Amino acid sequence: DSGVTQTPKHLITATGQRVTLRCSPRSGDLSVYWYQQSLDQGLQFLIQYYNGEERAKGNILERFSAQQFPDLHSELNLSSLELGDSALYFCASSLRGNTGNTGELFFGEGSRLTVL
Amino acid sequence: KNQVEQSPQSLIILEGKNCTLQCNYTVSPFSNLRWYKQDTGRGPVSLTIMTFSENTKSNGRYTATLDADTKQSSLHITASQLSDSASYICVVSQISGTYKYIFGTGTRLKVLA
Repeated sequence: DSGVTQTPKHLITATGQRVTLRCSPRSGDLSVYWYQQSLDQGLQFLIQYYNGEERAKGNILERFSAQQFPDLHSELNLSSLELGDSALYFCASSLRGNTGNTGELFFGEGSRLTVL
Repeated sequence: KNQVEQSPQSLIILEGKNCTLQCNYTVSPFSNLRWYKQDTGRGPVSLTIMTFSENTKSNGRYTATLDADTKQSSLHITASQLSDSASYICVVSQISGTYKYIFGTGTRLKVLA
């Protein structure tokens, strides 16, 4: 158990709909990262938050947005869903880059989104 | 451009055999390199971490090497087991306040009985 919790585990929805994926990071971790993994593909970085603020953006579509709340949990919002958005969405957390911290990423078990 | 390339893309071996996975990177500045194991449909889990000054590190049947001069790393799996069937992902980290991670696309390993 990595200590990172993602909900829901599975989600089936229709094209054009909107969904929200939730992530609770490990206790004490300030950074949250979101990744998308399509079938048989590598992990694609979407966005990073650090202590409530957006820190880095990757290949995140304009239809997608995220935020990190004061209690450090994060939500990824996916709207106007398309068939191609079907994927596993992973959240990962890590400590800030302090001396002595190796920055290990701890991954949740993912949310599997199926768009029909 | 910061990149991490892994080879081979996929690999099939018989149970009990050894194998070596490769990772080449062009990431600068460099903080550390990790190998992650990802079982199908699960989240990746860290196997080893290599810092700039480390050449070799073992974790059970997994041994990672790092050549910081040539910017190459390898992951050697000894006496493979069916449970080793997974994707192995090489991730190079940079640090600038917070960590930035550059992912390889992974090597998919299948171990056959």
